[in-house]
Amino acid sequence: NAGVTQTPKFRILKIGQSMTLQCTQDMNHNYMYWYRQDPGMGLKLIYYSVGAGITDKGEVPNGYNVSRSTTEDFPLRLELAAPSQTSVYFCASSSAPSTQPQHFGDGTRLSIL
Amino acid sequence: AQRVTQPEKLLSVFKGAPVELKCNHSYSGSPELFWYVQYSRQRLQLLLRHISRESIKGFTADLNKGETSFHLKKPFAQEEDSAMYYCALSVNAGNMLTFGGGTRLMVKP
Repeated sequence: NAGVTQTPKFRILKIGQSMTLQCTQDMNHNYMYWYRQDPGMGLKLIYYSVGAGITDKGEVPNGYNVSRSTTEDFPLRLELAAPSQTSVYFCASSSAPSTQPQHFGDGTRLSIL
Repeated sequence: AQRVTQPEKLLSVFKGAPVELKCNHSYSGSPELFWYVQYSRQRLQLLLRHISRESIKGFTADLNKGETSFHLKKPFAQEEDSAMYYCALSVNAGNMLTFGGGTRLMVKP
């Protein structure tokens, strides 16, 4: 029962470095999402996808890129890491719009120093 | 943009006491509303959704359209209810969720 799997769980980056946060789901969900959660705050949507080949910006997309080449995978890319991107990143997926719950991964804790 | 507000960051009650976690939103239409919960060392997971009108683990939440609130209630709190609770709202076909800031519930023995 893997559900949504995120890797890595922890990472420390230097300012200006790049990295990709991986997310894969085995539930054949069409919809996938990336959120960030800053300390003491709720989750904010970065990017989302309604199917393979389709992505769109969320509330806080600046500094990030995504791709969706398959139904299962939805990687999040940081090109030039900045201290403001220090956060916990959550990937989620859901099967249908609006009324269906989102299934979350364990999160990736990212620190930019 | 719609906002979801959870006015209490921390709510501490004794075991057996009633619990009400408040959630207010700014959307004037008919949103889908959810409560998500994150227990210690576990994933964020759905607790309940207003469309189901169900009771999960003794919790209920009623959508008060007039006041745009969706408070989570339980008549008798248990220690295992201690967790972070997030209210969330969805208003579009992409099922994008807008989350509140969360309330940490601590149930003391």
